[in-house]
Amino acid sequence: AQSVTQLGSHVSVSEGALVLLRCNYSSSVPPYLFWYVQYPNQGLQLLLKYTSAATLVKGINGFEAEFKKSETSFHLTKPSAHMSDAAEYFCAVIPGGGGNKLTFGTGTQLKVEL
Amino acid sequence: DTGVSQDPRHKITKRGQNVTFRCDPISEHNRLYWYRQTLGQGPEFLTYFQNEAQLEKSRLLSDRFSAERPKGSFSTLEIQRTEQGDSAMYLCASSPQGTVGTGELFFGEGSRLTVL
Repeated sequence: AQSVTQLGSHVSVSEGALVLLRCNYSSSVPPYLFWYVQYPNQGLQLLLKYTSAATLVKGINGFEAEFKKSETSFHLTKPSAHMSDAAEYFCAVIPGGGGNKLTFGTGTQLKVEL
Repeated sequence: DTGVSQDPRHKITKRGQNVTFRCDPISEHNRLYWYRQTLGQGPEFLTYFQNEAQLEKSRLLSDRFSAERPKGSFSTLEIQRTEQGDSAMYLCASSPQGTVGTGELFFGEGSRLTVL
C-alpha cells in the first residue's frame, strides 16, 4: 500500500531561517505526491504537488519540494521562514496512475519563533 | 464565500446517541469526500461520492456509519450509537470533474465530534 512518513511531528525554526520538513514515501510505482497546509481554524489547502512532471515543484507562499526517486523523498523547503508560516503541514500520496484518494502522513507542526 | 461548508462545527454528545454532519461542497464540484482526523494523526479516508453515487468506502466506515448524497449536491454523514472512539474531526472535501489524479481537494473546516 502507498504511504508517506513524515519525520518530526514538531519543527521549530527562527524567523528568517530555512524551513525543511521531511517526507518519505513508499511505493512500488512512481506516485503522485502532495503537501497540504492547515492554518489554525482553517481547512486543509493544497500547497504544492508532484505529478511526474518537473521534479522540483514550486508552490504557494515561497514553498518548494523536490521529488528524489533515489531517496524516495519529497521534502518541503522554504528559504526564509515567516511568522505566518506557522501551521501544520501534511504530506500525502496518491498511487501512481491517478485517482483522488489521498493517503496522508501524520503531519508536522511548524513553529516559527522571533 | 463559496468554499466547502460543514455543519455543525462542534458537536458534543453522549455515548449511544446518533449524530449527523452535513457538508455543502463547492457548487460545481461533482466529487465529494469524507475524511476523519484524530489527534496526532493525518486525515484518514472514509468514503467518496461522484455525483450521488458512493464509489468507495473505507474499512474504517463501520456499519454504524452511513453517508449519503441524495441529489449529488450536499452530503450527510450519520453515526449511530456513538462510541468514545468516534471522537474526531470529520472533514469534508470536494473536487471538480477533470481533476482525477491531480489530488487537489478543497477541504472544509471540519466538524469536531466529542463523545462523552
